[in-house]
Amino acid sequence: GAGVSQTPSNKVTEKGKYVELRCDPISGHTALYWYRQSLGQGPEFLIYFQGTGAADDSGLPNDRFFAVRPEGSVSTLKIQRTERGDSAVYLCASSPGAGGSEQYFGPGTRLTVT
Amino acid sequence: AQSVAQPEDQVNVAEGNPLTVKCTYSVSGNPYLFWYVQYPNRGLQFLLKYITGDNLVKGSYGFEAEFNKSQTSFHLKKPSALVSDSALYFCAVRDKDNFNKFYFGSGTKLNVKP
Repeated sequence: GAGVSQTPSNKVTEKGKYVELRCDPISGHTALYWYRQSLGQGPEFLIYFQGTGAADDSGLPNDRFFAVRPEGSVSTLKIQRTERGDSAVYLCASSPGAGGSEQYFGPGTRLTVT
Repeated sequence: AQSVAQPEDQVNVAEGNPLTVKCTYSVSGNPYLFWYVQYPNRGLQFLLKYITGDNLVKGSYGFEAEFNKSQTSFHLKKPSALVSDSALYFCAVRDKDNFNKFYFGSGTKLNVKP
């Protein structure tokens, strides 16, 4: 079946611009996660959704970052006033359950802020 | 702070030899531990997890991992390496209080040479 998809695969933007990154989870998966992966590092937790609500956004670095999942399926990560330090690969993962369930990752969106 | 550490940036083994990729964790209580693999241009894939029970956990592609509470380790192992096992491997631990927050190690690149 279809896995987790993320669009775009690559995004280049200028400093100060606004970007949106999209995640389509596996159908039926209620849990959705966003991570950020910088070069040479492991994924860093950003936010977790259970259904439509952001159950834990403690990993968002500041208020320029925001994510939504209005219908409990597709999610969008939004970054305002982008900075060069936001450049990274943004990963989305979904899971059929919460907590101890394994996560299914998308291929990521590589964001480059110039 | 809760975390996992992967002390080796890279591990080199010859095809057919046993391999070990090391991971140590820093979480009080009983940890939930995971291993994921990342192939080039692909999303992270789940390999195995330890929640409770037998200390030796078997997973996908012939991999296994041994949970050692006294050494706070969760090393990934395979008896006979394949060239196709060459990839980036990540260890992860679940937050002990926040069940939907995960901490990943920095990754270990496994090179299996023919």
